[in-house]
Amino acid sequence: QAVVTQEPSLTVSPGGTVTLTCGSSTGAVTSGQYPYWLQKKPGQAPRTLIYDATYRQSWTPARFSGSLLGGKVALTLSGAQPEDEAEYYCLLLFSGGWVFGGGTKLTVL
Amino acid sequence: EVQLVESGGGLVQPGGSLRLSCAASGFTFSNYWMTWVRQAPGKGLEWVANIKQDGSEKYYVDSVKGRFTISRDNANNFLNLQMNSLRAEDTAMYYCGSGSHYDYWGQGTLVTVSS
Repeated sequence: QAVVTQEPSLTVSPGGTVTLTCGSSTGAVTSGQYPYWLQKKPGQAPRTLIYDATYRQSWTPARFSGSLLGGKVALTLSGAQPEDEAEYYCLLLFSGGWVFGGGTKLTVL
Repeated sequence: EVQLVESGGGLVQPGGSLRLSCAASGFTFSNYWMTWVRQAPGKGLEWVANIKQDGSEKYYVDSVKGRFTISRDNANNFLNLQMNSLRAEDTAMYYCGSGSHYDYWGQGTLVTVSS
């Protein structure tokens, strides 16, 4: 099955901006792969933040935004808050099923 | 209120079987695809399987094909995952998810495969 790649870890200062990216071993990520971004904190259920690359869920703070950027899908956090410290996972649809990226551990420090 | 509640996890020996269930409430269960994902200790999320609204289509990650079977009971709003020939690498927290855009997730049930 395809491999989905993400930065293993990133650090952002409180109030700062950071962009997480997600790429595919099969080529450019497209909107037809219905890209998702999920947030995962220890001991909690996953929480979907972004679907179809750019659409926020109703509970997703406006400081999170999604985009397709240079053949990858990106999640930008503008104005980071301490509560945004978490693992972030990209999820893409391929012909054989869905594949998660390896996750990005985001530290707000 | 939407709820997904997983159950059925536990300790099982390698080669053994477990049946996970996910009880859904607060939304029209039969309208949505349902999915299982898992997270092994210290690892990332892994998509495991999903099933179409009427059960006519099912998809699995390669590592569980032939061992796991996903099914659903639309009359009683249950999603199931029958897991056979379990291996140590199947040890994980298993989450069920649903919604038109993976809107809903349960809190998970822990499966430990160990002798």
